[in-house]
Amino acid sequence: EVQLVESGGGLVQPGRSLKLSCVASGFTFSNYGMNWIRQAPGKGLEWVAYISSGSSYIYYAETVKGRFTISRDNAKNTLYLQMTSLRSEDTALYYCARPIRGHWGQGVMVTVSS
Amino acid sequence: DVVMTQTPPSLSVAIGQSVSISCKSSQSLVASDKNTYLNWLLQSPGRSPKRLIYQVSKLDSGVPDRFSGSGSEKDFTLKISRVEAEDLGVYYCLQGTHLPYTFGAGTKLELK
Repeated sequence: EVQLVESGGGLVQPGRSLKLSCVASGFTFSNYGMNWIRQAPGKGLEWVAYISSGSSYIYYAETVKGRFTISRDNAKNTLYLQMTSLRSEDTALYYCARPIRGHWGQGVMVTVSS
Repeated sequence: DVVMTQTPPSLSVAIGQSVSISCKSSQSLVASDKNTYLNWLLQSPGRSPKRLIYQVSKLDSGVPDRFSGSGSEKDFTLKISRVEAEDLGVYYCLQGTHLPYTFGAGTKLELK
């Protein structure tokens, strides 16, 4: 069974940083691209970032480009999202996902507020 | 980026009624491998999204055959026959042919 377990969320002040992690199991993590997708409270789903299996290809949404960094450690089956210069509009539930395959974590909440 | 235009934004239905949701993309979703990566997801309250249908019309395991997907190129439809209470929530279309992946804005299915 595929499992994606996110961690690292919390309350952070505007302008500060936070790093999310996602531990994957139930599939060969190193073979697949991975994504971060977020959902602001009461809003729809927004794709945030993608990283290919070997980290050669990385893409970001325009709303986070230059502030967020996606990375992975295939030896640890772990996906990361380093978030810097956080803004109130980054407040959301962040999912680690392979959405095309139908694999989603439970999400981790990030709240940016003073 | 591919824009996914999903309608209607909400539906109020009675149990047993049938409904349809439309999703139109700004570009063809036919990939270079000839597959069309259009998914339909259901997000029940307080839950992570769950994939119901992939590649336009293929039902995920355990999804009732009351659900069906159709369409091609840029025009897609999700149909739910004989709505049940467990079907309530927000439905999203998702295209996975082009990066960045993009979602429709969602359709909230509520009880009348």
